[in-house]
Amino acid sequence: NAGVMQNPRHLVRRRGQEARLRCSPMKGHSHVYWYRQLPEEGLKFMVYLQKENIIDESGMPKERFSAEFPKEGPSILRIQQVVRGDSAAYFCASSPTRGSGYGYTFGSGTRLTVV
Amino acid sequence: QKEVEQDPGPLSVPEGAIVSLNCTYSNSAFQYFMWYRQYSRKGPELLMYTYSSGNKEDGRFTAQVDKSSKYISLFIRDSQPSDSATYLCAMRPGSARQLTFGSGTQLTVLP
Repeated sequence: NAGVMQNPRHLVRRRGQEARLRCSPMKGHSHVYWYRQLPEEGLKFMVYLQKENIIDESGMPKERFSAEFPKEGPSILRIQQVVRGDSAAYFCASSPTRGSGYGYTFGSGTRLTVV
Repeated sequence: QKEVEQDPGPLSVPEGAIVSLNCTYSNSAFQYFMWYRQYSRKGPELLMYTYSSGNKEDGRFTAQVDKSSKYISLFIRDSQPSDSATYLCAMRPGSARQLTFGSGTQLTVLP
């Protein structure tokens, strides 16, 4: 039973380019969460999605950031026109539909570097 | 003021020592409390979770929650060099699914 799969593991983008980060949840999990971790800081919530629905995007920057979780395929976090301040580790977590009252399973993250 | 405060350390202890890690929080709505371990360049790994106040023990790890003081702790007994990692506390209200994390405490266990 594979865990939460994130790719790519490392991503380098020039300022102004687009970054696409992918997350495949654990088998049987229908809830996906994206978190961002800046150097020397804890994880900050960005967005919570279920299949084809954004449930809570209160942690997403208002501009340039978007997320989706289509009926088929992985969840995508898209960052348009990246800037140096977007450099961070982006983690995806998933949980099952029911009985997820506690912690979630995290992927290994995508480390985005903007040059 | 941050919702969750955690001493960043670094904390360095000899092998076999008892380690105490702590977080304080300000949001009285938090009901679920978790501890994650994160090795360098890896994703967080769930260690312990607790609902509301009380203690929970799992092997060498004990988690404590004191909601009256808004204070949670993780104790590691007989610490091992393999316990060297960053430890993150996390919590959430019963009504929401997103977690609020502390900034993490970096622990080194010296052989």
